[in-house]
Amino acid sequence: QVQLQESGPGLVKPSQALSLTCTVSGGSISSTNSYWSWIRQPAGKGLEWIGRIHASGASNYTPSLKSRVTISVDTSKNQFSLNLSSATAADTGVYYCARDHYYDSYMDVWGKGTTVTVSS
Amino acid sequence: QSAVTQSPSASGTPGQRVSISCSGSSSNIGRNTVNWYQHLPGTAPKLLIYSNNQRPSGVPARFSGSKSGTSASLAISGLQSEDEADYYCAVWDDSLNGYIFGTGTQVTV
Repeated sequence: QVQLQESGPGLVKPSQALSLTCTVSGGSISSTNSYWSWIRQPAGKGLEWIGRIHASGASNYTPSLKSRVTISVDTSKNQFSLNLSSATAADTGVYYCARDHYYDSYMDVWGKGTTVTVSS
Repeated sequence: QSAVTQSPSASGTPGQRVSISCSGSSSNIGRNTVNWYQHLPGTAPKLLIYSNNQRPSGVPARFSGSKSGTSASLAISGLQSEDEADYYCAVWDDSLNGYIFGTGTQVTV
């Protein structure tokens, strides 16, 4: 079965970029019916969807973060990545990647999450 | 307005039925299907209900979902101690062109 695993620095300095990678195993990231999403839970808050990408490169982002977010895909490595520029303390939280069913619009497989702290 | 709201908390005793509401608008719940997630601290959110009322394999039948107009609800019947968690609804919003999560409901058993 498909499994997802987030990786990246657990500590990021303010104003620097927050960069994470999600590795997909047990299935192909090039699946036609799948998008690949990033979701986060800021400290003490609820879940927030960040954006998603398809293997074709098509992407969507949440408007509040769109100016700072880039999600990319590397089909050769079966990975997709998140880059959030100009990080602030408000970006501190747990970051999850997930598989997103394109036609039925739901996220069914999630990574375990990785904690990122933005602090000097 | 593209916000999806849930009651902050719900509670019940073992065996009781608990219902969680999710209120949206014409650009999200009014047009698209609703999904529900169970989230325990320190773990990955788990898909409980998709497409308004469908349960993924392995999710107990005591979890059920429904939708009417711009609102949706999740019901947990035969409440168990292991159901104590945060529950989120999520839906695609056509105005935002992205997903919106509800504000979350903390269920206490």
